[in-house]
Amino acid sequence: KAGVTQTPRYLIKTRGQQVTLSCSPISGHRSVSWYQQTPGQGLQFLFEYFSETQRNKGNFPGRFSGRQFSNSRSEMNVSTLELGDSALYLCASSTGTSGQETQYFGPGTRLLVL
Amino acid sequence: EDQVTQSPEALRLQEGESSSLNCSYTVSGLRGLFWYRQDPGKGPEFLFTLYSAGEEKEKERLKATLTKKESFLHITAPKPEDSATYLCAVASGGSYIPTFGRGTSLIVHP
Repeated sequence: KAGVTQTPRYLIKTRGQQVTLSCSPISGHRSVSWYQQTPGQGLQFLFEYFSETQRNKGNFPGRFSGRQFSNSRSEMNVSTLELGDSALYLCASSTGTSGQETQYFGPGTRLLVL
Repeated sequence: EDQVTQSPEALRLQEGESSSLNCSYTVSGLRGLFWYRQDPGKGPEFLFTLYSAGEEKEKERLKATLTKKESFLHITAPKPEDSATYLCAVASGGSYIPTFGRGTSLIVHP
């Protein structure tokens, strides 16, 4: 079974620009979660989508948004980029049905904001 | 609010020197505890899921155990390729989102 894939793997943007990241979950998984990982803050939860609906949301500003398509693929958008948005953005998928199933992570997208 | 604390923050071992990593948690109604391994610049790789106190799981040189307050990841006779950051996460109550610890950075010297 193919794992979680994320594109692109690396991005360089400048302040004020916007960026869209993509995540394809494991086949059959309906939940997709997004995380931001930085050396100083560790893994921070952004939001979770299940069956095209945002089901959970972390404590991030409205510049961070996402969506999920009918095939469970998900995109995350960051508008008006700031230097502090430089991070590894991780996507994780799970079946999303019981609250105790394992999340499987993709390789991440490394975003550098200059 | 769920809390997960991992210790130590960093650990250096000689090849073959067994040790344990700790994950202490405070949750209301544990649904599952997860261990991941993460290499620099890569996504976390799933290792184990434990659901109830007393449960143990093994994979090669790794063994995870669970009590009502903490979990241990035991590494037996580690090799340099075991060097990575090990993350612990817990799922509880009605939340579908696990809470992650800050991780333990393990370096195994040859």
